[in-house]
Amino acid sequence: GQQVMQIPQYQHVQEGEDFTTYCNSSTTLSNIQWYKQRPGGHPVFLIQLVKSGEVKKQKRLTFQFGEAKKNSSLHITATQTTEVGTYFCASGTYKYIFGTGTRLKVLA
Amino acid sequence: GAVVSQHPSWVICKSGTSVKIECRSLDFQATTMFWYRQFPKQSLMLMATSNEGSKATYEQGVEKDKFLINHASLTLSTLTVTSAHPEDSSFYICSARDPDGSFQQYFGPGTRLTVT
Repeated sequence: GQQVMQIPQYQHVQEGEDFTTYCNSSTTLSNIQWYKQRPGGHPVFLIQLVKSGEVKKQKRLTFQFGEAKKNSSLHITATQTTEVGTYFCASGTYKYIFGTGTRLKVLA
Repeated sequence: GAVVSQHPSWVICKSGTSVKIECRSLDFQATTMFWYRQFPKQSLMLMATSNEGSKATYEQGVEKDKFLINHASLTLSTLTVTSAHPEDSSFYICSARDPDGSFQQYFGPGTRLTVT
């Protein structure tokens, strides 16, 4: 079945450093969504990408969807302590599959 | 944005008993809701798709007789964990799709189930 892997599994960064998580699928994805889940919380939608090669920015967050629509990335510039949590990619239309997640810790 | 609520937020039950979890869309109608299960430090695993007025669609490996789903109205879906066992202890989260038609999901706050 379809699998969506994310790397790295964990990332510890100093406040102010950059952070990137990568999402890779074995099959072509119709879309990609990114969610953030704070410890003890529920996933919160960040963004959705649909087009091949699409790039979207939200302040210090940059999201990319690969040309082949099999991978995606989320890059955070100058991370802040408020950005700790687990970042998931997800894909689907009638039902959804979630990536394995990247747990980010930001050290002050 | 759309709001999804869940009740209860946490529950402790004894092994062998049943627990019902409610998922409500508060300000929109949801013909389809999704139920996920999340173990500590793991990803969300889709259990089933709940369809208003019809039977739920279960993912492979999910026992439909154990995890009963009812979607009786456009704003309410329920998940009942029957004959719960300690291995059913987990974080159960429901979601609904964006009523405006995008693929975005709105998640409920989740229910933490502990079976003793």
